[in-house]
Amino acid sequence: EVKLVESGGGLVQPGRSLKVSCAASGFSFNDYWMGWVRQAPGKGLEWIGEINQDSSTINYIPSLKDKFTISRDNAQNTLYLQMSKLGSEDTAIYYCAREHSGYGFFDYWGQGVMVTVSS
Amino acid sequence: DIHMTQNPVSLSAFIGDKVTITCRASQDISRYLGWYQQKQGQSPKFLMYYASNLLSGVPSRFSGSGSGTEYSLTITGIQPEDAATYFCQQCYSYPYTFGAGTKLELK
Repeated sequence: EVKLVESGGGLVQPGRSLKVSCAASGFSFNDYWMGWVRQAPGKGLEWIGEINQDSSTINYIPSLKDKFTISRDNAQNTLYLQMSKLGSEDTAIYYCAREHSGYGFFDYWGQGVMVTVSS
Repeated sequence: DIHMTQNPVSLSAFIGDKVTITCRASQDISRYLGWYQQKQGQSPKFLMYYASNLLSGVPSRFSGSGSGTEYSLTITGIQPEDAATYFCQQCYSYPYTFGAGTKLELK
C-alpha cells in the first residue's frame, strides 16, 4: 500500500524557517518524481514544485523559488520541503504527493501537514 | 502561467443526476489535464489524467472529455459519496496550475 506521511508542521513566527518531511512507503521511492502542493484554509490547491528521481531536476512555481527548497533522500525514502522567510500568506496545509509516471499529475497524496505562520 | 477557470463554482444535484463540470485553460494544453476529488477534511484523490483516462478503481460513472482549452468532467448517476470539491490541473507547462474548484453538494 502506498503511504505518504508528512511531519514537521506547526506554528512558526513570521520571517522564520521550517522544514517539513514526507516519509514514503509501499512503493519504490527512487523510481518516482515527487512534489509538494499547498492549500490555504478554505482555498484551492497551489502547486509548489516537483523533484525527479535523482534530484537532478527540480521545478518550482516562480513565486516561491527563492523561499522554498525541495529535496529528497532516496536512502531514507523521504521528501523534504525547506521553507524560509515565512509570512502569513504561507499558512496552509502542505501535501506531498507522488507523480503519476512522471507526467505531472499526482496519483497519491499524503494526509497533509498544517503550517501556521503567526506571531 | 496558464490560468485554469472552472465552472460552476458550486452546484447542487440529486442522487442519480448527471452533472458536468468544465475547466477552461488560458491556452491550449493539449489534453494535459487531470481531475481530482477532495472530500471535506481529506487530501485530494486523483481521478483522471490526459483529460479522459480514468484511474484504476475510479467508478465508471466518472468520465472526462475535451481538447485544446476546453475540458469537462461528467458524473452520470451521482451517488452520495460523490459530494466533494473537484479540481482540474494542467500539466502542460510550468508552473502546473489548478482550477479554483467546483463544490458539488447533494440535495
